[in-house]
Amino acid sequence: KAGVTQTPRYLIKTRGQQVTLSCSPISGHRSVSWYQQTPGQGLQFLFEYFSETQRNKGNFPGRFSGRQFSNSRSEMNVSTLELGDSALYLCASSTGLAGVQETQYFGPGTRLLVL
Amino acid sequence: GENVEQHPSTLSVQEGDSAVIKCTYSDSASNYFPWYKQELGKGPQLIIDIRSNVGEKKDQRIAVTLNKTAKHFSLHITETQPEDSAVYFCAASGGNTNAGKSTFGDGTTLTVKP
Repeated sequence: KAGVTQTPRYLIKTRGQQVTLSCSPISGHRSVSWYQQTPGQGLQFLFEYFSETQRNKGNFPGRFSGRQFSNSRSEMNVSTLELGDSALYLCASSTGLAGVQETQYFGPGTRLLVL
Repeated sequence: GENVEQHPSTLSVQEGDSAVIKCTYSDSASNYFPWYKQELGKGPQLIIDIRSNVGEKKDQRIAVTLNKTAKHFSLHITETQPEDSAVYFCAASGGNTNAGKSTFGDGTTLTVKP
């Protein structure tokens, strides 16, 4: 069974631009969660989608948004990029509600550099 | 919300020695505690997990223990090998404050010297 895939793997943007990242979960998984990983802040939860609905949201500004499609694929968007948005963005999928005794499987991440 | 503290932040051991990483959590209702290994350039990979109704779980050289009363859990790696070198993360989820998401520790960089 194929793992979680994320595209693109690397991205360079400039301040003020917007970016869209994509995640394809493991086949059959309906929950997709997004995390931001930075050296100083570790892994920070962004949001979780289950059956096309946002079920949980972390403490990030409204510039960070996401959505999930009927095939469980998910996208996250960051508008008006800031230098501090430079990070590794990780997507994780699970069969049901992520975190409720559910194992999450991570993708390789998208490394975003904001100049 | 849930808070997970992980110690130590860095750990260096000789090949063949044991390594222990400890985590504490704040939400007593948390019921699922996975451990992830992250190698350079890759996403975190699950190596072992434990649920709140179990005190200990072992998988070959890796074991995890859970003390619900003290709200802490630990990862034990025996007979370490150079390929065990990576960043290890603990996480807690399923509790009252974090149902539907995982809260991660800050990670431990393990270096195994040949």
